[in-house]
Amino acid sequence: AQSVTQLGSHVSVSEGALVLLRCNYSSSVPPYLFWYVQYPNQGLQLLLKYTTGATLVKGINGFEAEFKKSETSFHLTKPSAHMSDAAEYFCAVSRTGGGNKLTFGTGTQLKVEL
Amino acid sequence: KAGVTQTPRYLIKTRGQQVTLSCSPISGHRSVSWYQQTPGQGLQFLFEYFSETQRNKGNFPGRFSGRQFSNSRSEMNVSTLELGDSALYLCASSSSPRGNQETQYFGPGTRLLVL
Repeated sequence: AQSVTQLGSHVSVSEGALVLLRCNYSSSVPPYLFWYVQYPNQGLQLLLKYTTGATLVKGINGFEAEFKKSETSFHLTKPSAHMSDAAEYFCAVSRTGGGNKLTFGTGTQLKVEL
Repeated sequence: KAGVTQTPRYLIKTRGQQVTLSCSPISGHRSVSWYQQTPGQGLQFLFEYFSETQRNKGNFPGRFSGRQFSNSRSEMNVSTLELGDSALYLCASSSSPRGNQETQYFGPGTRLLVL
C-alpha cells in the first residue's frame, strides 16, 4: 500500500520568501510522485511529477521538487513566493502497474502575506 | 483543445435519491478517473476507466458506480444518497492508462450537496 504525509496543513510565508511544502511517502515499490495545486472552486493542476531519472524535477510557475529516496521525501520548493501562489497544494503518489490511480496527501494551504 | 468538462457543476439532492454525474475528457484521451473530495476525508480515488473497461476501483460502497462510453465520456452514479456523499467530485483524463507516462488533467468538478 502507498501513502503520503504532508506536514503542515497550513503554511504562511511573506511575499518574496522561500516556499517549502513538505511531503513524505511510503511505498513498497518505486513510486511515481506528483504535486498538484488547487485554486478555490477549481480542479487540480499538475505542478510537476517524478517518474524516473533526474531526482530534481522542475515544474511550472517556478516550483521544483527533489526526490530523496533515502529520506522518502518529495518536498516542494519555490525560491520566491508570489501572491498568486496562495492555494492548496497536494502531494500524490502512484505506482508501477497502478494505472492512473493517485493516492493524495491531506493538502497544505499556502498563504502568502505582503 | 478544450479541457475536461464536468456537468452539472452544482447539484442539490435529498437523501435516498440517486444522482448521475458526467465527465467529458479531453479529445483523444481514453482514460478517465474519478475522485471524491471532502473536508474530512480529502481526495479519494473512486475508479478509473480505459477504453470502456474499469481498470481500478477504490474503496467505496457499491452505491458508487461508473461507466465509460465508446466516445470516452464517462458517467458516475451514486444511488441511495447519504448526507456523507456531499462532496466535490473530480474527473481526470489522460491519454494513457500508465500513470507515469502522460499527465492527468482534472476538470473543475461537480459539487454535490445532499440534504
